[in-house]
Parts: sequence; C-alpha cells; structure tokens
Amino acid sequence: DARVTQTPRHKVTEMGQEVTMRCQPILGHNTVFWYRQTMMQGLELLAYFRNRAPLDDSGMPKDRFSAEMPDATLATLKIQPSEPRDSAVYFCASGRGQSTSNEQFFGPGTRLTVL
Amino acid sequence: AQSVTQLGSHVSVSEGALVLLRCNYSSSVPPYLFWYVQYPNQGLQLLLKYTSAATLVKGINGFEAEFKKSETSFHLTKPSAHMSDAAEYFCAVSVQGGGADGLTFGKGTHLIIQP
Repeated sequence: DARVTQTPRHKVTEMGQEVTMRCQPILGHNTVFWYRQTMMQGLELLAYFRNRAPLDDSGMPKDRFSAEMPDATLATLKIQPSEPRDSAVYFCASGRGQSTSNEQFFGPGTRLTVL
Repeated sequence: AQSVTQLGSHVSVSEGALVLLRCNYSSSVPPYLFWYVQYPNQGLQLLLKYTSAATLVKGINGFEAEFKKSETSFHLTKPSAHMSDAAEYFCAVSVQGGGADGLTFGKGTHLIIQP
C-alpha cells in the first residue's frame, strides 16, 4: 500500500529555531506539493515541484521558508527562523503526470508548534 | 484565479439521513473539481473528482457529486449517513490547460453524524 510519508509527525520548537520537515513521495510520482493548514486560512498551497524542479513557490514567505528536492525520494521544507505564526499542520502531497486533473495523495502531515 | 466557497462550516445530520454538503466554485476557465475527506489527525483522501466527462460523479463510500455549470456548483451527497462519515470535507478546484497545478481548497465543512 503506497503512501506519502512525512517526518516528524509533531514538532514543538521555540521562536527563532530552524525547522526542517521531510516528505517521501510515493515511488514513481513526479510531482510534489507542500500545503499548510491553519484554522484561520484553511489549506494553502506553499510550493510544488515536478521532476524535482521547483515550479511555483509563490505561496511561500520567501524570507524564511525554503523548499527543495535533493532527490526523487525526498522533499524538504525548511523554516529559518521560525515564528509563532508558522504554527500549523504542513502537508506534503504527491501525484503522477502533468494533468491538473490527476489525484494528489496526501501524507499524514507534520504538526508544528512554535512557542 | 479560481476560488471555492463551501456553505456551512458545520453540518449535522442524523444517522441514516441524507447528507448534502455544498460547494460553489469560481473559475475563468473550465475547472477540474474534487472532494477530499480528512479524518482526525490524518491527511486528505480523495472521495471523487470531476474532469469534464460525466457530470454526475460517483466516489468512494457511497458519495456522489453533480457538476452544474449553470450554477457553478459541485455539491456532495450521500443518501444515507453512517457514523463513520463524521469527518472534515473539502471541496477543491484546479484549472484545465496548465498553469498552477496546485489545488485551491474551500474552508472545509465539518460533518457531524447524530446517532
């Protein structure tokens, strides 16, 4: 049963600390998305990659967030320095192909709390 | 740019009753439409999607949705609610013809099933 995995599942950190979240997409999927979920804003697209190349990161605060795909099996989302307003659940999703009709498969999320 | 409006942040129905979750979209180009379900502390799972084929779409767990272009709606229904249907439901849109591949989500509707 192929699934998207995310680590860590929970992270509590103090303001100013660096946070790195990791995602392993489903094998064979060439598109990876990062979303953020908060009570106030709901689900927001932060960035996405196709074939490891970043295609859109317009949803991401550029000064503190960065997203990379070092290889086809790993995507990372980094926040440096973290702030309390970054507290949210961060989801990674992966998909196959280039059509926007294709299903996105979501991981279980990383719940981040910044104190 | 596209957007999604879900009417009712909370919907409560009795077990065995009809479930109706409302979704209206806005898009300047033909849309693809999706319904996802999120159970507590889990990622999102696809229920069904509309991709410009049949306007009545059947999904998993007995759910279906009808695409109505004239009403710009994609409401989700299930004839008989089950306790296991209690979850958060998200309507989402993407656009055909390229552009941003990420999904634009509604705020979500929390479905409560009364015994």
